Amino acid sequence: DQQVKQNSPSLSVQEGRISILNCDYTNSMFDYFLWYKKYPAEGPTFLISISSIKDKNEDGRFTVFLNKSAKHLSLHIVPSQPGDSAVYFCAASGGGGSQGNLIFGKGTKLSVKP
Amino acid sequence: EAGVTQSPTHLIKTRGQQATLRCSPISGHTSVYWYQQALGLGLQFLLWYDEGEERNRGNFPPRFSGRQFPNYSSELNVNALELEDSALYLCASSLGGWVWEANYQPQHFGDGTRLSIL
Repeated sequence: DQQVKQNSPSLSVQEGRISILNCDYTNSMFDYFLWYKKYPAEGPTFLISISSIKDKNEDGRFTVFLNKSAKHLSLHIVPSQPGDSAVYFCAASGGGGSQGNLIFGKGTKLSVKP
Repeated sequence: EAGVTQSPTHLIKTRGQQATLRCSPISGHTSVYWYQQALGLGLQFLLWYDEGEERNRGNFPPRFSGRQFPNYSSELNVNALELEDSALYLCASSLGGWVWEANYQPQHFGDGTRLSIL
């Protein structure tokens, strides 16, 4: 049973436009959400996070939105750049015995075309 | 600032052998986490160490074990290797200490050890 779902395996965007990556979760006990970017042959790189007490967090070109009632979060990248082409993972943590344990989605491959 | 470092980069073993993977966290980080990424699967949580203690464990058999040293570096040991253990093993570190604080600290990952079982 997947607790964190990224339903789009891939996304293609033109350079300079907005990239929107989506993530859904099922466990209402999750209270901390993160986005990671991964290039081939490298480990995931932390991008941005948000706790459940907020609905938006911004860091430069990256903004994460959290909709707790819908159990949905999204990552907006504006403007998109070719160097943003990578696999993006959504992750969640929190609640009960899952301390320290990040639950990851399966990732969305973003391609930004020049 | 040096990131999380893992060694070796690649490790080839045969069934039944033991594998030892090593991880050095970012300076100042006390929590170390281990994840497995098998082919076609997402990252699966294995173990969490903080201040030398095992704090949490994922749904893996006891032949997956590890430890954390006084300098906060960590080892992951996999005994009686099976073909299905072939995977990328990722180590991450974070600030931590108390359980509730560790929950809200981002984990920073190394580049992993690719373990291949022949």
